[in-house]
Amino acid sequence: SAVISQKPSRDICQRGTSLTIQCQVDSQVTMMFWYRQQPGQSLTLIATANQGSEATYESGFVIDKFPISRPNLTFSTLTVSNMSPEDSSIYLCSVGQGAGYGYTFGSGTRLTVV
Amino acid sequence: KQEVTQIPAALSVPEGENLVLNCSFTDSAIYNLQWFRQDPGKGLTSLLLIQSSQREQTSGRLNASLDKSSGRSTLYIAASQPGDSATYLCAPIVSGTYKYIFGTGTRLKVLA
Repeated sequence: SAVISQKPSRDICQRGTSLTIQCQVDSQVTMMFWYRQQPGQSLTLIATANQGSEATYESGFVIDKFPISRPNLTFSTLTVSNMSPEDSSIYLCSVGQGAGYGYTFGSGTRLTVV
Repeated sequence: KQEVTQIPAALSVPEGENLVLNCSFTDSAIYNLQWFRQDPGKGLTSLLLIQSSQREQTSGRLNASLDKSSGRSTLYIAASQPGDSATYLCAPIVSGTYKYIFGTGTRLKVLA
């Protein structure tokens, strides 16, 4: 399965600022996703990162708040914009070749907004 | 809308016990189901992937079964060890989509 490098692993940010999280994969993958895990909660899908086009966002998530780029088949970024303490979560990148193969997760970015 | 429930929510057992973690889902039209392990503050590690046509999968001390018609999957952990302490998540993918729906998780603590 693919090996994912997700950076940064953790960060503490001031409210009102933005943070960009990177997801680098060691091989080309068809599907890339971004998830959020709020404290004590399970994972929620933010969006599907589409190569060369706009991401597909899930209900409750908008591009202005969570802009996503995917310039090629091995790399994607998620930006958390204009942060507030409510954005404090673990953000995870997930990749795979399709639903039949299952998906692999990165090690996550632990974000604390103060 | 697919909903996934995991029982128990938390479990604390002495080392060596055989464990059963349960996962139920409301929509039986699933493509496959995956079990993950998550250590505190970390990402997810895939444990087992069961295709909808399969009844079970095994890896070492882990065995996962799937009863799609009744909307249930079970993860068996044999001879539990303190290193098994983590949160276990089940995640089916509904047919016609490519997305996981994550369960609420079972927090396991194995005492030495």
